[in-house]
Amino acid sequence: KAGVTQTPRYLIKTRGQQVTLSCSPISGHRSVSWYQQTPGQGLQFLFEYFSETQRNKGNFPGRFSGRQFSNSRSEMNVSTLELGDSALYLCASSFGVEETQYFGPGTRLLVL
Amino acid sequence: ELKVEQNPLFLSMQEGKNYTIYCNYSTTSDRLYWYRQDPGKSLESLFVLLSNGAVKQEGRLMASLDTKARLSTLHITAAVHDLSATYFCAVDSGGGADGLTFGKGTHLIIQP
Repeated sequence: KAGVTQTPRYLIKTRGQQVTLSCSPISGHRSVSWYQQTPGQGLQFLFEYFSETQRNKGNFPGRFSGRQFSNSRSEMNVSTLELGDSALYLCASSFGVEETQYFGPGTRLLVL
Repeated sequence: ELKVEQNPLFLSMQEGKNYTIYCNYSTTSDRLYWYRQDPGKSLESLFVLLSNGAVKQEGRLMASLDTKARLSTLHITAAVHDLSATYFCAVDSGGGADGLTFGKGTHLIIQP
């Protein structure tokens, strides 16, 4: 069974630009969560989607948004990029909302 | 606000030795996870602990959960170099809606 896939794997943007990251969950998984990992703040929860609905959002500004499609694939968008948005963005999928989350390889975003 | 504390944050040990990583959390939790992360890689699920007294073992790693003390341990027996990695504990505070709250991770180096 294929794991969680994320595209692109690496991305370089400049301040003020916007970016869209994509995540395809494990087949059959309906819950997708997004996390940001930085050396300073560690792993922080961004948001979770289940059946195309955002269940909750972490403590991030409105520049961070996401959505989930009917096939459970998810995208997250960051607008007006700041230097501090440089991070590894991890997507995780699970069968249900209280099941073990399996992480994708991540998208490493560098904002210059 | 749920807080998760791991200690130690850095650990250098020799092959063949035993050691324990501790994970304390601040509020009642439905479940606790242990993940492993290799440098530049994503998170690999190791264990999920669901109830008080739960103990799980895989190879040289054993995890346990004491919900009354709000404490989980990850014990390493007769360490080998291949276990060098960063280990995270993560807590799901309830319903999965708030995502996982991660500890800062324990960076483990096992020297031959």
